[in-house]
Amino acid sequence: GAGVSQSPSNKVTEKGKDVELRCDPISGHTALYWYRQSLGQGLEFLIYFQGNSAPDKSGLPSDRFSAERTGGSVSTLTIQRTQQEDSAVYLCASSLFAGTSNEQFFGPGTRLTVL
Amino acid sequence: RKEVEQDPGPFNVPEGATVAFNCTYSNSASQSFFWYRQDCRKEPKLLMSVYSSGNEDGRFTAQLNRASQYISLLIRDSKLSDSATYLCVVQGSGAGSYQLTFGKGTKLSVIP
Repeated sequence: GAGVSQSPSNKVTEKGKDVELRCDPISGHTALYWYRQSLGQGLEFLIYFQGNSAPDKSGLPSDRFSAERTGGSVSTLTIQRTQQEDSAVYLCASSLFAGTSNEQFFGPGTRLTVL
Repeated sequence: RKEVEQDPGPFNVPEGATVAFNCTYSNSASQSFFWYRQDCRKEPKLLMSVYSSGNEDGRFTAQLNRASQYISLLIRDSKLSDSATYLCVVQGSGAGSYQLTFGKGTKLSVIP
């Protein structure tokens, strides 16, 4: 079956512009997660959704970052007024339910470069 | 102290060698433990879960020592296709049970 898909696969933007990243989770998965992987760093948790609600937004690095999920499916991560330090690979994952014993399946990521 | 620490490597080993990776974690309340594999410029994929009793999947053996907060992965008879970065991952309990915490990864290169 289809896995997690993300778009765009690559995004180059200028400092100060807004960007929107999209994630399509595996059909039927109720939980959706966003992570960020910066060069030389481990994956960093950003936010997770259970259905359409985001119980924990504490991983978002600044108020320039926001995310939403509609219809319990597609999610978008928006970064406003991008900075060079936002350059990273943004990975989305989904699982059947949240919590332990629920494998998280990752999408291929969006590689964001802020010039 | 970082939450999950791994030796970054790289580990360069010949085909057929046995190689071991280690990982330590700081949160004693962590409940679940995994090894993920990440190929260059690809997404992480679950390699195996890690249990206190130890578990084996073909050439791969994982061990967990809760008292020492230590996780290991052993790869026997290395293949060229094993070349990748291996990520040690822990998952919390309760309110933190949804979040995976990743180490920075250990890079393995298997050479002919």
